[in-house]
Amino acid sequence: KNQVEQSPQSLIILEGKNCTLQCNYTVSPFSNLRWYKQDTGRGPVSLTIMTFSENTKSNGRYTATLDADTKQSSLHITASQLSDSASYICVVSRNSGNTPLVFGKGTRLSVIA
Amino acid sequence: EAGVTQFPSHSVIEKGQTVTLRCDPISGHDNLYWYRRVMGKEIKFLLHFVKESKQDESGMPNNRFLAERTGGTYSTLKVQPAELEDSGVYFCASSNTYLAGVSEQYFGPGTRLTVT
Repeated sequence: KNQVEQSPQSLIILEGKNCTLQCNYTVSPFSNLRWYKQDTGRGPVSLTIMTFSENTKSNGRYTATLDADTKQSSLHITASQLSDSASYICVVSRNSGNTPLVFGKGTRLSVIA
Repeated sequence: EAGVTQFPSHSVIEKGQTVTLRCDPISGHDNLYWYRRVMGKEIKFLLHFVKESKQDESGMPNNRFLAERTGGTYSTLKVQPAELEDSGVYFCASSNTYLAGVSEQYFGPGTRLTVT
């Protein structure tokens, strides 16, 4: 069964601190892995997209890593801000191009002052 | 450039009634997707249009759900008759068609459907 598992389910951190979110997947075949940020009441917004040949990709204070051999990914957030409070969703695509996505349940991050 | 828009933002209906959700994709995007998130679960794929044609409808839960995309522009998703388990947030996404490489999907804000 194609699955995407994320941990932790939720996380609370102080403003300015760093954090790392984890994602394990069993989706096969595998083409690319995406991290999305979803604010409450909004749709998911893409942060990074990595193909199997990419090990790391950054987008500002967000850095994603991918180990296609172990089927694991992480999203590291540096110097967190209150606006980082959101759900972070790991998403896998089986094929390149225009195909449906397989979602994890997300990690709910709360950044507090 | 306008993003993906969805209407309504919220809908509360009684079991057995009919509801129609609408999605307007980003202009020029041939690909349109419907996804759904029920409470406590992950977002799941429902349906994929390429222009006006259904490319993949393997995620549609049953024949109470009918999606259309007349003229290859906006899309509607009708639920008739609605059941309690249909409650959730329905997302629409759109993307360009690329012959190679990764295609970005842009999501709308979702329609929250509550069936009572």
